[in-house]
Amino acid sequence: GAGVSQSPRYKVAKRGQDVALRCDPISGHVSLFWYQQALGQGPEFLTYFQNEAQLDKSGLPSDRFFAERPEGSVSTLKIQRTQQEDSAVYLCASSLVWGRIEQFFGPGTRLTVL
Amino acid sequence: AQKITQTQPGMFVQEKEAVTLDCTYDTSDQSYGLFWYKQPSSGEMIFLIYQGSYDEQNATEGRYSLNFQKARKSANLVISASQLGDSAMYFCAMREGRDDYKLSFGAGTTVTVRA
Repeated sequence: GAGVSQSPRYKVAKRGQDVALRCDPISGHVSLFWYQQALGQGPEFLTYFQNEAQLDKSGLPSDRFFAERPEGSVSTLKIQRTQQEDSAVYLCASSLVWGRIEQFFGPGTRLTVL
Repeated sequence: AQKITQTQPGMFVQEKEAVTLDCTYDTSDQSYGLFWYKQPSSGEMIFLIYQGSYDEQNATEGRYSLNFQKARKSANLVISASQLGDSAMYFCAMREGRDDYKLSFGAGTTVTVRA
């Protein structure tokens, strides 16, 4: 596809369940970002990949959050033992190379933890 | 401390009129970039305009212009000739020199354009 895609678009999980959120960046884009957007707030940075290397994971809120990009394209954000405070929209973005101005965002995955 | 402050939670504007969205920022870096994104109800963030800290001219992109006042640390977005399709959430964001990849976003301003 032409843009960043994310799946699923909506996910409902019971507290304590593990979830996996997928991001397909634009083909050829080297940089990939995950952001968390709580209701009524701006997105907050979670983690950054350059190809398969995770260069910054300083924004991950706890060790229950884990992200990977093993082949330098598709990325998965995994949340273990979900909590209610994990409910948010998770946005993925990609850019062609490091330092490029524009990050292209996907539509996000809305996670609701009951 | 908040890096990006957007003080207007919501604004109404009449179709065809201009609207200014406020954004102030806080950084000690000399090199930084300021962005505005639009987020319609569909959820994805759409890049609108960029201003680099060393750019002397205010950025413009079609109906969007950025009023950059470096000494005041403000980067207001002006949307001219508002259209109904401009109704959305608007976010100001900054990328700082030392972390020249991640964006810090403000809380956003909801714009509603009235016919």
